[in-house]
Amino acid sequence: KAGVTQTPRYLIKTRGQQVTLSCSPISGHRSVSWYQQTPGQGLQFLFEYFSETQRNKGNFPGRFSGRQFSNSRSEMNVSTLELGDSALYLCASSLIGNREGEAFFGQGTRLTVV
Amino acid sequence: AQSVTQLDSQVPVFEEAPVELRCNYSSSVSVYLFWYVQYPNQGLQLLLKYLSGSTLVKGINGFEAEFNKSQTSFHLRKPSVHISDTAEYFCAVRLDGGGFKTIFGAGTRLFVKA
Repeated sequence: KAGVTQTPRYLIKTRGQQVTLSCSPISGHRSVSWYQQTPGQGLQFLFEYFSETQRNKGNFPGRFSGRQFSNSRSEMNVSTLELGDSALYLCASSLIGNREGEAFFGQGTRLTVV
Repeated sequence: AQSVTQLDSQVPVFEEAPVELRCNYSSSVSVYLFWYVQYPNQGLQLLLKYLSGSTLVKGINGFEAEFNKSQTSFHLRKPSVHISDTAEYFCAVRLDGGGFKTIFGAGTRLFVKA
């Protein structure tokens, strides 16, 4: 079956703009998590959605937001982009998002802010 | 606060030699432990996980890890590495009561030389 699909794979945006990233989970998976990966900070948890509800949130400013649709697809939005938002954004899906469950990661969207 | 420390940022090793990648965690609650691998320009792939039971966990690609509660460690080992094992390895924890939120270590880059 198809894996986790993230679009687009690469993005270049200018400071102050906003951006929307998309994640399509594995069919049947209801939990979607987002992570930011940078060389300096490593992998940091952004938030997790389950059945269209945000269930967990990391320590990121309000400029970072997300949502999940009824088909479990998820979008992440970053407003008023800063240079420091340049990163690889990874999405992971899980069947029900329980703590024992395996997370399946997409290939990520590489965002560059100039 | 909970944290994950990977003690080595880079580990060079010759092909067919054994390797150990070290991981320590700190947490005041029960944890679930994971090791992930990331190949260049790819998302993360689960190698193995410890939830409960036997402290020696076997994963894919010949990797294994041992959970040591007294030392709060979860070191990853492989008795004989291949060139194809060259990648970045991440140790991660999920907290009991924390849902699907995952805390990652900074990563260890394993470089296998011929």
